[in-house]
Amino acid sequence: DGGITQSPKYLFRKEGQNVTLSCEQNLNHDAMYWYRQDPGQGLRLIYYSQIVNDFQKGDIAEGYSVSREKKESFPLTVTSAQKNPTAFYLCASSTGVGSYNEQFFGPGTRLTVL
Amino acid sequence: GQNIDQPTEMTATEGAIVQINCTYQTSGFNGLFWYQQHAGEAPTFLSYNVLDGLEEKGRFSSFLSRSKGYSYLLLKELQMKDSASYLCAVRDLWDYKLSFGAGTTVTVRA
Repeated sequence: DGGITQSPKYLFRKEGQNVTLSCEQNLNHDAMYWYRQDPGQGLRLIYYSQIVNDFQKGDIAEGYSVSREKKESFPLTVTSAQKNPTAFYLCASSTGVGSYNEQFFGPGTRLTVL
Repeated sequence: GQNIDQPTEMTATEGAIVQINCTYQTSGFNGLFWYQQHAGEAPTFLSYNVLDGLEEKGRFSSFLSRSKGYSYLLLKELQMKDSASYLCAVRDLWDYKLSFGAGTTVTVRA
């Protein structure tokens, strides 16, 4: 089945450790996105990528890094520089960035930093 | 940038109708999306409006007025499974990024 997978669903880390969240899609989509969701707030864009080997900062990129070496994969690293990393992280993809292109979301990873 | 407002919570009875409003201010508009999100799950696409008017899709309809910066999502014949958060998102004309409202939590009661 086509879709977006994120792993793991729940992740616990100690403060000061870097952690990488996985996002894979087999929809043949060009564009991929990472969002962060906190209680009472809308989804906020961390990074997005329109094409392989290219990515752009979103609204809250500080303390995060990404790579886009393959079309189907867009991993997100939460670094120790991120001051408040505990959140629900959602990965999404779309056929492209422009025009009518709905974003399809993965199931999310809930990260808790202890 | 975008500024998107929607009510925090709404409650309705099974079988009733609920209308979720969304207002936005934007420097460049290129479409408005509605998503449904059940607790702890991924948002799923409901509707897309880019021109003024009403788009109907089964029990769900979405309306857009670009001149007023206003949209609503209408949920008819409410079912218990419709209890969820409903997210309004506006796409920017210049960079195509989506900006999301905080979401409206709808609770359907028997």
